[in-house]
Amino acid sequence: EPEVTQTPSHQVTQMGQEVILRCVPISNHLYFYWYRQILGQKVEFLVSFYNNEISEKSEIFDDQFSVERPDGSNFTLKIRSTKLEDSAMYFCASSELWRGDYEQYFGPGTRLTVT
Amino acid sequence: AQSVAQPEDQVNVAEGNPLTVKCTYSVSGNPYLFWYVQYPNRGLQFLLKYITGDNLVKGSYGFEAEFNKSQTSFHLKKPSALVSDSALYFCAVRVITNAGKSTFGDGTTLTVKP
Repeated sequence: EPEVTQTPSHQVTQMGQEVILRCVPISNHLYFYWYRQILGQKVEFLVSFYNNEISEKSEIFDDQFSVERPDGSNFTLKIRSTKLEDSAMYFCASSELWRGDYEQYFGPGTRLTVT
Repeated sequence: AQSVAQPEDQVNVAEGNPLTVKCTYSVSGNPYLFWYVQYPNRGLQFLLKYITGDNLVKGSYGFEAEFNKSQTSFHLKKPSALVSDSALYFCAVRVITNAGKSTFGDGTTLTVKP
């Protein structure tokens, strides 16, 4: 069964550094998402992306964050200058269509630790 | 705005007993409802979804959930719990017009004791 993959599984970085989290969505999917889960808390929506544009973003997704689809397979989340509070598990997801009845497939996550 | 409530942080059941994990939602329009399970240090695994049709939906690992429109609920159930069901469970809702954004509940930790 096709799956969403994410790299790295764990990233440790120092405060103020830039990080790029990578995701490979399922190949025929057109809609891509990033979610964040601070340890022990709920999963929160960050951003949705379609046709090389952001479709929607949450208030969490400020100017420090950006997303990109640099080629036909990867989908990246960049945090320009990491803060301690960015420490979380970041999940990438993809779906075939944007409609709510189309399931989102989640990747295994990247655990980001900012020290 | 859409929201999901999971009123119980923790649910404890004995192995072999039935389990229920509660979820209520609030949306404008027709909801699409999902349950996910998360094991320690792992990603989100899809369990089941309600889109339309029969209010009782069956999913993976013997789980099922009942959609109740009047009570705006989508409780997760299993007739006989296993120790291996112990995990964190998330309810999520989407609607058709929001670019696919999922809104998650806070999660419920299920502990099944032998």
